[in-house]
Amino acid sequence: GQNIDQPTEMTATEGAIVQINCTYQTSGFNGLFWYQQHAGEAPTFLSYNVLDGLEEKGRFSSFLSRSKGYSYLLLKELQMKDSASYLCAVSPRNTDKLIFGTGTRLQVFP
Amino acid sequence: EPEVTQTPSHQVTQMGQEVILRCVPISNHLYFYWYRQILGQKVEFLVSFYNNEISEKSEIFDDQFSVERPDGSNFTLKIRSTKLEDSAMYFCASSESLLGGLEQFFGPGTRLTVL
Repeated sequence: GQNIDQPTEMTATEGAIVQINCTYQTSGFNGLFWYQQHAGEAPTFLSYNVLDGLEEKGRFSSFLSRSKGYSYLLLKELQMKDSASYLCAVSPRNTDKLIFGTGTRLQVFP
Repeated sequence: EPEVTQTPSHQVTQMGQEVILRCVPISNHLYFYWYRQILGQKVEFLVSFYNNEISEKSEIFDDQFSVERPDGSNFTLKIRSTKLEDSAMYFCASSESLLGGLEQFFGPGTRLTVL
């Protein structure tokens, strides 16, 4: 089976750095995705990791350790518009579906 | 930039009625998906569709659900006899390929309310 865990809520201050962790257990692994979801809107793609290491994309970076079943999303220079839910999703092997975690609701304060 | 579109944005229906949710995936994409998100809960996979047939479905996708690609552009989800617990946001998604690294693009969703 699959299990994905991430913190329910986090808060941070504008301009700061925040790290959102995700641990997963899956039967096989084909990659890990991070999506951003503003309230009432669709998930939008942020990043994808399939190999161990850090992927950097502007203010956002994502890290993966397959041996530990662990990923994090790093958000730098936080802006008020970064207040949203951040969804960790795993693509199990031999399937094209995404299994989502419950999401981490991030609130950025001035 | 190409995007997935969905209609209607909101659908209110009576329990037991049939609903059809419509999606237009990105034009060169080959893989299509439906997900749902009950208010306050996580996004859940329903079904994936490729080459005019279902490639995978979840336990949620029972006999009351069906999908169809009636023409070259539309992708629909039908719920034959809606139940109260079908109330949720339904997202359509598409991807270019099954190859790792190509993300699924989500549409804006249809909010279904079953009374």
